[in-house]
Amino acid sequence: DAKTTQPNSMESNEEEPVHLPCNHSTISGTDYIHWYRQLPSQGPEYVIHGLTSNVNNRMASLAIAEDRKSSTLILHRATLRDAAVYYCILRDGAYSGAGSYQLTFGKGTKLSVIP
Amino acid sequence: DTGVSQNPRHKITKRGQNVTFRCDPISEHNRLYWYRQTLGQGPEFLTYFQNEAQLEKSRLLSDRFSAERPKGSFSTLEIQRTEQGDSAMYLCASSLRDRGKNTEAFFGQGTRLTVV
Repeated sequence: DAKTTQPNSMESNEEEPVHLPCNHSTISGTDYIHWYRQLPSQGPEYVIHGLTSNVNNRMASLAIAEDRKSSTLILHRATLRDAAVYYCILRDGAYSGAGSYQLTFGKGTKLSVIP
Repeated sequence: DTGVSQNPRHKITKRGQNVTFRCDPISEHNRLYWYRQTLGQGPEFLTYFQNEAQLEKSRLLSDRFSAERPKGSFSTLEIQRTEQGDSAMYLCASSLRDRGKNTEAFFGQGTRLTVV
C-alpha cells in the first residue's frame, strides 16, 4: 500500500471544526483512502473511507483533492471525545484474490481538544 | 456486546514463559487479523485469516509466534519463550469478506503484554 504523510499533532477548541490533512502523492488509481482513529487505551476505530468523491457519514466528512494526492478529514464540531490519534491509510481496491488485506498504519496525527 | 472481544486484557509474564491470547471476532465476520502496537507507534500487521486459513504472515511473526483459527471462529495467538521486546499491545480485528478490500475492520480493545 502507498505511503501517507500526516502532521504529528494538532489542537482544536471544543465545538469548533477540525481539518486533519493527509498527503498521499504516490496514490494509485485503485487506492481507497481510509481513516481510522484510536482513542486512548482503545483499539482503532473506523471513521470513513472514499475513492474520488467527497464522503459524509455520521462521524465525519472526507474531502478528497481533485488530483487525489491529498485528502482532509473534517470533524464538524470537535468534542472532548474526539481526542485521539487519527490514521490516514491507503488500501488498494483492486481485487486480487488472496492478496494483502492488511492495514498499514503510520504514526497518525494526535488530536488534542481543548475545552 | 457484539464487538470483537479479546482476552485477557492484560498479561504480565516472566521472560521465557509462553503466553496465549484469545480473540472472538464479530460472529458473521470471516476475516480475522492480528496486529501489534508498541508505545507511540501505529499498529503493525502480524497475520491474517480468512475463515480457518492463515493467508498472510508478516515477517514480524517470528517462529516463536503462532496463530490459529480452528473452525474459522475464535483465534489464538501464542508467543513461546517470551522476550522483553515482545511487550506490546496485541490487537485483533475482524471484517466481512467483500470482493474488494474496503470493508471496514472492527478492532478489539487489545491485550497488553508486559514481559518482565
